[in-house]
Amino acid sequence: AQKVTQAQTEISVVEKEDVTLDCVYETRDTTYYLFWYKQPPSGELVFLIRRNSFDEQNEISGRYSWNFQKSTSSFNFTITASQVVDSAVYFCALSAYNTDKLIFGTGTRLQVFP
Amino acid sequence: KAGVTQTPRYLIKTRGQQVTLSCSPISGHRSVSWYQQTPGQGLQFLFEYFSETQRNKGNFPGRFSGRQFSNSRSEMNVSTLELGDSALYLCASSLGSGGRDEQFFGPGTRLTVL
Repeated sequence: AQKVTQAQTEISVVEKEDVTLDCVYETRDTTYYLFWYKQPPSGELVFLIRRNSFDEQNEISGRYSWNFQKSTSSFNFTITASQVVDSAVYFCALSAYNTDKLIFGTGTRLQVFP
Repeated sequence: KAGVTQTPRYLIKTRGQQVTLSCSPISGHRSVSWYQQTPGQGLQFLFEYFSETQRNKGNFPGRFSGRQFSNSRSEMNVSTLELGDSALYLCASSLGSGGRDEQFFGPGTRLTVL
């Protein structure tokens, strides 16, 4: 069975702090895909990143970076120098090969205070 | 390029009624997936359509159904509404190569059942 666990329900930080959102996944597939989405108060899910199981290279995009480690089945997301606009719920998700079906974690609510 | 659009954005129905929600994917996208989001259950997969065929189905009762048209637009229908069907219904579209593409979400339809 596939499962995504986001153990942090809510995180509060002050602006400019770095914050890491944890994501642990379970799957028996050898080929799979991992995603991160941001859901601001408006409700729309915003795509952030997709990673396939064969690519363990870390990725950096501006203030965002992702650390994918197959050995620990983790796909963690770090925001450097957080800003108030980063306040949102962040979801990690998993899909198997040959399907667009996403299994979502329960989300982490990030609040960034000025 | 226009994003994923969903209509209507808000809907209020009473128990026992039926409802049809519509999703127009990004131009060129052939895969449409539907998700239900509630505070208690989080984001749950409903169905996935590709080229007018249902490719995957989540664990929802038969009251939930969907279809996809030749222009890739999709509709989902919920019959005999129950209070527990109150949720944000999200639609996502992708090129459809089964997990290998980014999935983009629409703004959602917020359904309230009274």
